[in-house]
Amino acid sequence: SQELEQSPQSLIVQEGKNLTINCTSSKTLYGLYWYKQKYGEGLIFLMMLQKGGEEKSHEKITAKLDEKKQQSSLHITASQPSHAGIYLCGVSHASGTYKYIFGTGTRLKVLA
Amino acid sequence: DAGVIQSPRHEVTEMGQEVTLRCKPISGHDYLFWYRQTMMRGLELLIYFNNNVPIDDSGMPEDRFSAKMPNASFSTLKIQPSEPRDSAVYFCASSLARDSRRYFGPGTRLTVT
Repeated sequence: SQELEQSPQSLIVQEGKNLTINCTSSKTLYGLYWYKQKYGEGLIFLMMLQKGGEEKSHEKITAKLDEKKQQSSLHITASQPSHAGIYLCGVSHASGTYKYIFGTGTRLKVLA
Repeated sequence: DAGVIQSPRHEVTEMGQEVTLRCKPISGHDYLFWYRQTMMRGLELLIYFNNNVPIDDSGMPEDRFSAKMPNASFSTLKIQPSEPRDSAVYFCASSLARDSRRYFGPGTRLTVT
């Protein structure tokens, strides 16, 4: 969706390296959600961010929300092969709506 | 809990045939969503239900697509007649009213030849 841009589209990193994935919305954010999809499987919820400046962590994955820029970044520290997959962000633009849209995803490959 | 269950996992059919995809949401979840994922368009919301009632079907591409939820534990997505451009992975997801986190099923990979 052009309303939601993820970058980069794909990423290949060496095991142990840090990386960042970005998600930018062209509309005001109400909530932002990060999911991970392993190849050939369903999406797994990682984190939800709702407040400007909010930062959450899940194991070695940290996500931050910049409300003013309408952007979120997902940072992986010391990447491992288990981090490989597709990372998708989803955003809702209004309170009380369950109809949020997803970005096209970032495909991450981690080389051992 | 077993999570969201979808069947079949893979479906190969010929153009013009009817296809029915099935979903069992997590017990107690109030919302059920059907998504379609393709390389070109990413993950698109087709329709969602609240307490078995369809709330928004604006994402359903054509009249060939229909979805039902006869009870809280079962939903179907039907395509009749199917076309090659319907080839995609179809996901079902459910969530609680008070928690907007989606719980996704493993998906059904549909190939229409």
